[in-house]
Amino acid sequence: DQQVKQNSPSLSVQEGRISILNCDYTNSMFDYFLWYKKYPAEGPTFLISISSIKDKNEDGRFTVFLNKSAKHLSLHIVPSQPGDSAVYFCAASAFEGADGLTFGKGTHLIIQP
Amino acid sequence: NAGVTQTPKFRILKIGQSMTLQCAQDMNHNYMYWYRQDPGMGLKLIYYSVGAGITDKGEVPNGYNVSRSTTEDFPLRLELAAPSQTSVYFCASSNGLARTQYFGPGTRLTVT
Repeated sequence: DQQVKQNSPSLSVQEGRISILNCDYTNSMFDYFLWYKKYPAEGPTFLISISSIKDKNEDGRFTVFLNKSAKHLSLHIVPSQPGDSAVYFCAASAFEGADGLTFGKGTHLIIQP
Repeated sequence: NAGVTQTPKFRILKIGQSMTLQCAQDMNHNYMYWYRQDPGMGLKLIYYSVGAGITDKGEVPNGYNVSRSTTEDFPLRLELAAPSQTSVYFCASSNGLARTQYFGPGTRLTVT
C-alpha cells in the first residue's frame, strides 16, 4: 500500500519551459513534505520542502505547492535547464519525523535541448 | 565538512556471507537512518536511530542489524546475505528539528 505516489515514471520537457512534477499521498498524518533530486550512482540531494501549515514554498527556480484537501503536492521548475535532468523523489514525514521519510517511486525528468 | 560518508561503494557477496556497511556523518546530527532502494522503487527505511545507544526498526528490518555507539557512526550489519538483499543502500542523517535528511552516496550491494 503506497502512501506516497508519483504516477508519472518519466516526464520530458523542453529546455526553458516549465517542468511540473506531481505527487499524491494518502496518509493524513503527514505534515512535512520534501523533494529530492537524484543523479545516477549518487545519493539523493535535498531540493525543497514544505510544511503542512503552508501552501507554497519557493526557492529560486523551484516552487512546491501543497493542496492538503486533495492530498496533492507539485514541484514546479522554471525555467528548466539541462542540469535538471534527474530522478525526482517526493517524500513525506509525520510528526517529528524521527521514524524516517516515506518516499514515492520517483519521476525521471528529461530536459530536451 | 564531508557530510555523510559511506563505505564501501560497491560490494559483491556470496549467499550466506556477512558484512557491515559503514556510515559516518560529521554534522553532529542526532538522527541517522538506513534506507534501501530497489530498481524502479522509492527508498524504504530499514532502521533508524535518534541518538547514541538508541535504535529502532523501520519498514524493512528483517535480515539486518544496527548499532549506534557514537553520534557520528551508524553501521548496518547484514548477517547471512540473501539475493533479496541485492540493492543500493543509503545512509542519511538529520538534526531532527529541521526534519530534512541528508544522504550519503550509497553502497551498491550484489548478493549472488
